[in-house]
Amino acid sequence: DVKVTQSSRYLVKRTGEKVFLECVQDMDHENMFWYRQDPGLGLRLIYFSYDVKMKEKGDIPEGYSVSREKKERFSLILESASTNQTSMYLCASSSRKDTEAFFGQGTRLTVV
Amino acid sequence: AQKITQTQPGMFVQEKEAVTLDCTYDTSDPSYGLFWYKQPSSGEMIFLIYQGSYDQQNATEGRYSLNFQKARKSANLVISASQLGDSAMYFCAMSRMDSSYKLIFGSGTRLLVRP
Repeated sequence: DVKVTQSSRYLVKRTGEKVFLECVQDMDHENMFWYRQDPGLGLRLIYFSYDVKMKEKGDIPEGYSVSREKKERFSLILESASTNQTSMYLCASSSRKDTEAFFGQGTRLTVV
Repeated sequence: AQKITQTQPGMFVQEKEAVTLDCTYDTSDPSYGLFWYKQPSSGEMIFLIYQGSYDQQNATEGRYSLNFQKARKSANLVISASQLGDSAMYFCAMSRMDSSYKLIFGSGTRLLVRP
C-alpha cells in the first residue's frame, strides 16, 4: 500500500514561532505537494516539488517555504507563524507514471 | 495559468438517483489530466476517476463517470444510483502533464444524499 505520512495530526503553535510540517512517502514518488484546506476554498497549492531539491511555488506561497533534500521527504516551513495560517495542511505525492496522487492524513495546525 | 472552478457549493440528491457535479477548467497546456476526489467526513482523500486530455472516450469507474467536453472545458462527475455513503465533499482537480507536474484543486461541492 502506498503510504504518505505526515508527522503530526494536530499541532498548536504560538504566533511568531518557526513551524516545521514533515511529510514522508514510501513509494519512490517524484512529485510531492503541500496544500492547505479551508472551508469554502477547497485545497490550495502552497508549494510542489517534482524532484529532489527542485521546488516551485504554488498559488499561495507567501509565508511558507519548503525543503526537499531527500526524495521521500518534503517539509513545509512556516518561518514565523501567524494566526491566518491556522488551517488543515495536506501533503500528497504522485509518480510521473501514475495518474493518481496519494494523500497524507492531514495536519490541523492552530496558531494562537 | 491553470484554474479549476466548481460552482456548486452544496447539492442534495435522493438515494438511488443520479447526480452531476459540475467542474470547469482553464489551461493553456496541450496535455493535462483531470481528476475527481472524494473527501468523507473522516477527512481522507479518495481518488475516484481520471481523464487524460487526449483520451477519446469518457472515463468510467463503477458508478462514477466523467463527462469530458474538451471544447467547453468541462469535466463533470456523474454518480449513478446514489448511496447514503456518497455523502461527502467532492473535489475536481487538474494536472499539467509535463516534467513540472502541478496539481491544483477546485473549491469543492458538498453532496448530501437523502434517504
